[in-house]
Amino acid sequence: QAVVTQEPSLTVSPGGTVTLTCGSSTGAVTSSHYPSWFQQKPGRAPRTLTFDTSNPHSWTPARFSGSLIGGRATLTLSGAQPEDEAEYYCLLSYSGIRAFGGGTKLTVL
Amino acid sequence: EVQLVESGGGLVQPGGSLRLSCAASGFTFSTYWMNWVRQVPGKGLEWVANINQDGSEKYYVDSVKGRFTISRDNAKNSLYLQMNSLRAEDTAVYYCVRVNGGYWGQGTLVTVSS
Repeated sequence: QAVVTQEPSLTVSPGGTVTLTCGSSTGAVTSSHYPSWFQQKPGRAPRTLTFDTSNPHSWTPARFSGSLIGGRATLTLSGAQPEDEAEYYCLLSYSGIRAFGGGTKLTVL
Repeated sequence: EVQLVESGGGLVQPGGSLRLSCAASGFTFSTYWMNWVRQVPGKGLEWVANINQDGSEKYYVDSVKGRFTISRDNAKNSLYLQMNSLRAEDTAVYYCVRVNGGYWGQGTLVTVSS
């Protein structure tokens, strides 16, 4: 089964911008992989930030946005807040089968 | 309001079986693919299985094929995961997830230990 790759860790300054990426061992990530992004804080269930590449959930702050750039799915955080410090996971679909990336630990410092 | 509520977790011995349930409400359950996702405490998320709207298509991660069976009852708005031949490495929190639209349950803990 395919391997989904994410940066293990990233750091962003408060108010800064950071882009998390999600790649696939099978090649370029496209809209047909229906990328989703999730945020998880310690002790909590994950919650969805974006799905189907760029659709935000009703609770997703406007500072988060999903897209496709350079053959990867991306999650951009513009104007980082201390409460954005968390683990972030992407999920890709492969014609039924799905796979998560290993997660990116985002530090706001 | 969309709600997904898992139940059925607990302690089971290696080689044993367990059936997880997920009660869905607040949306038309029969029109969505549904998924099970698990997470070993302190580790990342792992997609386990999914099922299409009428139950005719099912997919599994390799590590559970032949041991786990996903199913659904649209009349009861419920999703299930039958887990057989459980191993210590199946110990995890299991989440019921509607990926399209992005809804997660709160999870149920399965512990496989003697």
